[in-house]
Amino acid sequence: AQKVTQVQTEISVVEKEDVTLDCVYETRDTTYYLFWYKQPPSGELVFLIRRNSFDEQNEISGRYSWNFQKSTSSFNFTITASQVVDSAVYFCALSLLSGGYNKLIFGAGTRLAVHP
Amino acid sequence: GAGVSQSPSNKVTEKGKDVELRCDPISGHTALYWYRQRLGQGLEFLIYFQGNSAPDKSGLPSDRFSAERTGESVSTLTIQRTQQEDSAVYLCASSLGWGSDQPQHFGDGTRLSIL
Repeated sequence: AQKVTQVQTEISVVEKEDVTLDCVYETRDTTYYLFWYKQPPSGELVFLIRRNSFDEQNEISGRYSWNFQKSTSSFNFTITASQVVDSAVYFCALSLLSGGYNKLIFGAGTRLAVHP
Repeated sequence: GAGVSQSPSNKVTEKGKDVELRCDPISGHTALYWYRQRLGQGLEFLIYFQGNSAPDKSGLPSDRFSAERTGESVSTLTIQRTQQEDSAVYLCASSLGWGSDQPQHFGDGTRLSIL
């Protein structure tokens, strides 16, 4: 079975707090990619990061960091010193080459509310 | 360059009417995807185009739903005899190729409301 589970449905924090969004995935494929997308209130999904299954190096981009652990099938996303503009729904997605195309399986999303 | 463009942004229609949603992918993107997002939920895959052929239509919820694509350009998603459960945001995405490393770039969606 291929599945993505986002552990938290909603998170509410106060500005400047650190927050971690957890993502757990299931697949039997050995080659796959993991993505995070942000969906602000305006609705458009914004691509944040891509990670392939052979690269377990953590990545940091400004206040964002990602922790990929193949042993636990997790790809967690941390926002450091959160800001109100970070308020959005965040989606974790698993990408497989299935039937010759890029099949993207989304989690249900985590709604993050950052309060001033 | 321009991103993925969808029209209309919002569509309100009466139950039983047909609707047509349009997607203009990023120029040069060969792969195109349609998703449905119900209120407060994740994205549900509908259909994928590789060029103008649709190798995977498995996500279309019923035979009232159909989609086509002209070349590697515009795609239209048609819903016939709309029902209230069709109310959702319909998102279109495109990617440069169809490898699993290719990020999909999304449009703003069409918010469809069936009265």
